[in-house]
Amino acid sequence: AQTVTQSQPEMSVQEAETVTLSCTYDTSESDYYLFWYKQPPSRQMILVIRQEAYKQQNATENRFSVNFQKAAKSFSLKISDSQLGDAAMYFCAMEASGSARQLTFGSGTQLTVLP
Amino acid sequence: DVKVTQSSRYLVKRTGEKVFLECVQDMDHENMFWYRQDPGLGLRLIYFSYDVKMKEKGDIPEGYSVSREKKERFSLILESASTNQTSMYLCASSQTKFGGSYEQYFGPGTRLTVT
Repeated sequence: AQTVTQSQPEMSVQEAETVTLSCTYDTSESDYYLFWYKQPPSRQMILVIRQEAYKQQNATENRFSVNFQKAAKSFSLKISDSQLGDAAMYFCAMEASGSARQLTFGSGTQLTVLP
Repeated sequence: DVKVTQSSRYLVKRTGEKVFLECVQDMDHENMFWYRQDPGLGLRLIYFSYDVKMKEKGDIPEGYSVSREKKERFSLILESASTNQTSMYLCASSQTKFGGSYEQYFGPGTRLTVT
């Protein structure tokens, strides 16, 4: 079984600043994928970024990047140049190769962007 | 664009009622999922299906059942609704992809209140 832990229930950031959301996970699998999903208020959950565990290079999508530390089982999300539209609940999730396509989610971090 | 739709955004039911939540996806995805989302708990998997008429229990299947008679439609059934089933219910779908991750696409959610 795998677990995903987000220890920051709430975070805030000033517009245009940088913020990092933390996520740790635990699994006995060697092959897995990690994701950050974003759920804006009253809107659908969407994928922000994905990381394959076998890749050492950290994934980047525009202003979003991850810091993947495999040995530490850590997968943090950095949002640069924060915008008001980044305000949302962010979920860290994991898909292990033996999990039959299931995702295990963390409890979420509510991000507020201050103007 | 992948589209996942859910039959209702808001639903109010009485204790003991039979409740049907329906989900439809338009991208011919093999896999479909039902989650419930509660504050501080993240998303928890109720059931999933990887083919028509196939279903697998997730982490919290008690009190729920599912039906998948057609590939595009996945229904969640609460046989006898109880107040502890008041929650946000999210449907998701994903494509079977060999050698890759199963990115899930989410519906807008149904906020169910059982009184």
